Amino acid sequence: GAVVSQHPSRVICKSGTSVKIECRSLDFQATTMFWYRQFPKQSLMLMATSNEGSKATYEQGVEKDKFLINHASLTLSTLTVTSAHPEDSSFYICSAEPRDYFSNEQFFGPGTRLTVL
Amino acid sequence: AQTVTQSQPEMSVQEAETVTLSCTYDTSESDYYLFWYKQPPSRQMILVIRQEAYKQQNATENRFSVNFQKAAKSFSLKISDSQLGDAAMYFCALSRGNTDKLIFGTGTRLQVFP
Repeated sequence: GAVVSQHPSRVICKSGTSVKIECRSLDFQATTMFWYRQFPKQSLMLMATSNEGSKATYEQGVEKDKFLINHASLTLSTLTVTSAHPEDSSFYICSAEPRDYFSNEQFFGPGTRLTVL
Repeated sequence: AQTVTQSQPEMSVQEAETVTLSCTYDTSESDYYLFWYKQPPSRQMILVIRQEAYKQQNATENRFSVNFQKAAKSFSLKISDSQLGDAAMYFCALSRGNTDKLIFGTGTRLQVFP
């Protein structure tokens, strides 16, 4: 099956620092990757759609200068939380859609728990 | 606007019994996909079942089946012969045909009692 990895799985950082989260499709190429944020006991909220070789499309209310997304290859997308603050603490999940699928199915990474002190 | 509504925050079922999780949605698109995802305590999202809107036949995957009522915009999930490992959050999701965004419902927490 299609496998998506995320690194790191957990990260703790100080307020004001930047944190980079990697999302990789391990056994398939993904032209599109997605970044979600999930608060405790809540649903997944889409932050942005990342397309290989082009700028990410951010959802309304998501600060693009705060959450930098880079989709440099067909197997890697990165999310950088810049100048992190405690309110950025959350569970971040990425997903990827295989380029040769036509069913809109997404495969999800295991998530990254970010804690900003 | 596309919306997905799950009206049952929590459900419980006895092991080996059957449970149905409800989901309604709204979309003006004629081409779309519907999904049920499972999120266990590990928080890894797992696809349970998928339904293409143009297919009249309800999707089935082993013990999991859906009741897709297109006119009523309803997409319920039936879990038969429930197992302890089925305990998780279940999210209903909608994706339009032309775009790949998944719009999630608020989720239903399923507890399975031995």
